[in-house]
This record gives sequence, C-alpha cells and structure tokens, in this order.
Amino acid sequence: GAVVSQHPSWVICKSGTSVKIECRSLDFQATTMFWYRQFPKQSLMLMATSNEGSKATYEQGVEKDKFLINHASLTLSTLTVTSAHPEDSSFYICSANRDSYEQYFGPGTRLTVT
Amino acid sequence: QKEVEQDPGPLSVPEGAIVSLNCTYSNSAFQYFMWYRQYSRKGPELLMYTYSSGNKEDGRFTAQVDKSSKYISLFIRDSQPSDSATYLCAMSGAGGTSYGKLTFGQGTILTVHP
Repeated sequence: GAVVSQHPSWVICKSGTSVKIECRSLDFQATTMFWYRQFPKQSLMLMATSNEGSKATYEQGVEKDKFLINHASLTLSTLTVTSAHPEDSSFYICSANRDSYEQYFGPGTRLTVT
Repeated sequence: QKEVEQDPGPLSVPEGAIVSLNCTYSNSAFQYFMWYRQYSRKGPELLMYTYSSGNKEDGRFTAQVDKSSKYISLFIRDSQPSDSATYLCAMSGAGGTSYGKLTFGQGTILTVHP
C-alpha cells in the first residue's frame, strides 16, 4: 500500500507559540493532500484541502490565518498552527490520494498546548 | 440528519465470529465507498475501496455497496483479537469540488475476545 508519514508524531508547545506539522507521501506523488482533526472518541473532521502549487481550500469554520497550509511539492504538505491555544490541542491527521479516490492517511500528530 | 450514519457500538464478539458493520447515507452523489480501520492513537488504515454498487472481497474482508438502499456493509470472517479497533466508513462524490473529500461515519468500536 501507499505510505504517508507525519512529523512530529507528538508535540507539546506553550500557548502563543506556533507549531509546524509535516506530511509526506513516501512512495507516490500526491497533487492533493488533506488535513483532518480528530477529538477523542470522535470521527475525523476535514479542515482543509491542500493542492500542490496553489492555495489551500478551507472548510467552513476553519480559520485560514490560524491553520496555515503550504503544499510545496508533490510529496510534502505542511500545517502550521499559529498562536496555539489549549483548545487547539487535538490529533491532527493528513492524507493523500494516490490513484483515483484511494486515500491514504498518515499516522497522526498529537498536539498538546499548555 | 447526518450525511453518513454509523452505529458507534461498541460491538463485542468472540474470536472466530463473523462481524457485520454497516453505514447508511443520504447523499445520492456519493460514488466511492471506503472502509478504514483505526487503532487507538493511530491514523486510519484503508481496508477496502469500492466504486458504485457491488461486492468486493479481500481475504477475510468483504465490502458490499447497495446504492439503491444507500447502504454499505463490511463483513469480517474468522475475526481475530487483532481486529479489535474502530472501523470507519467513508464516502466521496465524483469529481469537481467533491474530489477526494471524504465524509466519514462516526466509527464503530469493535472488540474481539480471545
């Protein structure tokens, strides 16, 4: 199967600081990547769609200035949580489409803001 | 009403049992149907991927899609303790702004007892 990696897997930061999360497709090129957020015992919530070489498309209610997304290449997308607050603490997961509509997920990044 | 409904369970079965997991949906535009398995604190793993109506089998797993009833199923034969996880159904429309955007069910928590 296709492999998607995320880094870091776990991060703790202080309130007011920014955190960058990387998402990489290791064995395929992905023109489109997606960023999700998941709270405990809940399903995944799509935050934004990241397209290589263009601006991300954000879902309704997601602050684009707070969650900065950059899709610099066909194998790398980054999510930066700016001026993080405790309510931003969550499990962030990226995914990428390999062929057609098969979508593969990264292992997730657990963010804790203190 | 949610676009995708999935019984969250929890579902508990003995080892070797046949497990049936189901989702219903309301959006007739959905064309692509997926089942993911998610272990605690991990990203979802793609198990099955089906386009339109029909059946698909892969080892112990069988996915069924009935678009006329807006109903999809995942069957697990000879269930193992290692199958204990949360199972998420997901679906997507075809092309345009819907490309790759998955709508998830709530997830069903499955426990297989030795």
